[in-house]
Amino acid sequence: GAGVSQSPSNKVTEKGKDVELRCDPISGHTALYWYRQSLGQGLEFLIYFQGNSAPDKSGLPSDRFSAERTGGSVSTLTIQRTQQEDSAVYLCASSSRQGRRDIQYFGAGTRLSVL
Amino acid sequence: DQQVKQNSPSLSVQEGRISILNCDYTNSMFDYFLWYKKYPAEGPTFLISISSIKDKNEDGRFTVFLNKSAKHLSLHIVPSQPGDSAVYFCAASAQSNTGKLIFGQGTTLQVKP
Repeated sequence: GAGVSQSPSNKVTEKGKDVELRCDPISGHTALYWYRQSLGQGLEFLIYFQGNSAPDKSGLPSDRFSAERTGGSVSTLTIQRTQQEDSAVYLCASSSRQGRRDIQYFGAGTRLSVL
Repeated sequence: DQQVKQNSPSLSVQEGRISILNCDYTNSMFDYFLWYKKYPAEGPTFLISISSIKDKNEDGRFTVFLNKSAKHLSLHIVPSQPGDSAVYFCAASAQSNTGKLIFGQGTTLQVKP
């Protein structure tokens, strides 16, 4: 498809389990971003990949969270030993970075529920 | 520390009237501001942006105003349409880290027919 694709769209897991969330960015976009939106809150920045540069991990809330981007395209966000407070919608975005300030295009998100 | 704030969780307006959504920020390093619109079960979509070198940017029915001294921006929608009903997020970024958008909590706009 032409847009950012995220899978799964919904994920229910038990506390303590690990989860992996996947993001397929728009083809040709060099920058990829992860955000999360907790209930009633705005989008919270998590991590940002730009080309071959070291990712900006400044938004990751704990060392249980990690992300990788393979081959400069698909990204996986991993949450280890999930906690109930990890329940949120996890959103991925990508951009072309052709301009100084470019537009981030978002996927529909993965709704994570930790029981 | 909420660097970008949208103090009105919701707004209801009549079709054809003006909708004004407000956003305040605290970080003086922010120099680029965006508005995104979000429908349920969809990701946010870009609406309009403004650089700090401007105080107004217009695109069709949407106009964003920036007041740097007050650290305040607003989005005006004229005339409002029922299809504009959505959650609106403002976001900001700084030149030191252009990839990192800081979002407000969002304002739910309802446009009544």
